[in-house]
Amino acid sequence: DADVTQTPRNRITKTGKRIMLECSQTKGHDRMYWYRQDPGLGLRLIYYSFDVKDINKGEISDGYSVSRQAQAKFSLSLESAIPNQTALYFCATGTGVMETQYFGPGTRLLVL
Amino acid sequence: EDKVVQSPLSLVVHEGDTVTLNCSYEVTNFRSLLWYKQEKKAPTFLFMLTSSGIEKKSGRLSSILDKKELFSILNITATQTGDSAIYLCAVEDGTSGSRLTFGEGTQLTVNP
Repeated sequence: DADVTQTPRNRITKTGKRIMLECSQTKGHDRMYWYRQDPGLGLRLIYYSFDVKDINKGEISDGYSVSRQAQAKFSLSLESAIPNQTALYFCATGTGVMETQYFGPGTRLLVL
Repeated sequence: EDKVVQSPLSLVVHEGDTVTLNCSYEVTNFRSLLWYKQEKKAPTFLFMLTSSGIEKKSGRLSSILDKKELFSILNITATQTGDSAIYLCAVEDGTSGSRLTFGEGTQLTVNP
């Protein structure tokens, strides 16, 4: 079984719709992250959480929100999706100092 | 602001060739540098480097870090078509609670 899972794996939505991407992990890590990947731009950090009560904005948080429901669950929401949010979204967990991150399989989102 | 620059952005070689991928960085409080391999799915961890001059090796892949000149290289010898992937470099900044900053990645294509 995968240690980091994401749902859905693929999603097509329309401009203005609210959408939630979910991430669950069984690695027992306190740290969780949401990234988006766009061609030529690498991985960019959206939000991160170092424990259930700790939420931090990353470099591109505008237009996104997150919820850390439990140590194992970290959700990313697009309140009103727009086409330039079309991307591949990755959730990751982290081990802490001298960090190694473990990635989920990704969610491919298309906003029409 | 932390910065990671990878070069080349893309590379096409023939099976059996040796390749060297480059990663240079600027970071406030360096903790570690990581290499990931991304095929058509999530990035998978390759190496973590924390000390200058100590080579990390795994099969045909090896990597070394130069903390004075602020760069790392990833070498792949006797390349195979299965090495075709995007190779991502990331640095951990201790100032930001050990967040990772990723480079754009190098797209490696190995032709038979």
